[in-house]
Amino acid sequence: EVQLVESGGGLIQPGGSLRLACAASGFSVTSISMSWVRQAPGKWLQWLSLLERDATTYYADAVKGRFTISRDNSKNTLYLQMNNVRAEDTAVYYCARGPPGYSRGSRFEYWGQGSLVTVSS
Amino acid sequence: QSVLTQPPSASGTPGQRVTISCSGSSSNIGSNPVNWYQQLPGTAPKLLIYNNDQWPSGVPDRFSGSKSGTSASLAISGLQSEDEADYYCAAWDDSLKGALFGGGTKLTVL
Repeated sequence: EVQLVESGGGLIQPGGSLRLACAASGFSVTSISMSWVRQAPGKWLQWLSLLERDATTYYADAVKGRFTISRDNSKNTLYLQMNNVRAEDTAVYYCARGPPGYSRGSRFEYWGQGSLVTVSS
Repeated sequence: QSVLTQPPSASGTPGQRVTISCSGSSSNIGSNPVNWYQQLPGTAPKLLIYNNDQWPSGVPDRFSGSKSGTSASLAISGLQSEDEADYYCAAWDDSLKGALFGGGTKLTVL
């Protein structure tokens, strides 16, 4: 069974750093493209980043240069390193998985439960 | 501000048919498949329609999708109270090199 479990969220001060993790089970994170998507309180979904099977990465302009997507094959975990965070980064962060063989798309078949990040002093 | 435009709200009575639109451009909907998501309150989004008009396993055929040019639509027939949720369209954008979501449509079952 495919499962995605996010962790690492919490309260962080503006300008600080935080790393979110998405532990995967039921498949290998190296075999499928994976993304991070966030949702600010009461707002719409916002795609942030994609890590392809071949390690190619893509980022939304809103986080380019501040956030980094990566994976640890040995832990079967996807990460989002968040640096220089701002108040507008406050959101629930979801990791999401595409279908096998998929790349550069918006089809996310599996989602984690989300991890809340609050940026505030 | 989302690049894919959806109406902020829609409503219908039980049994009715409701349609939600999603408007984009040639670099996203015009050249890539559209996917639709349903988000119930307090939960993660769920894939509802993929590749414009395909159903994932377990999604009832009361939900249907279509695409024409740079616009797409989600139709829900035989509306039920449990369909009350937020609905989002999504598409990859070749110019931005990223995925885009619509602003979401809140469906109310009256």
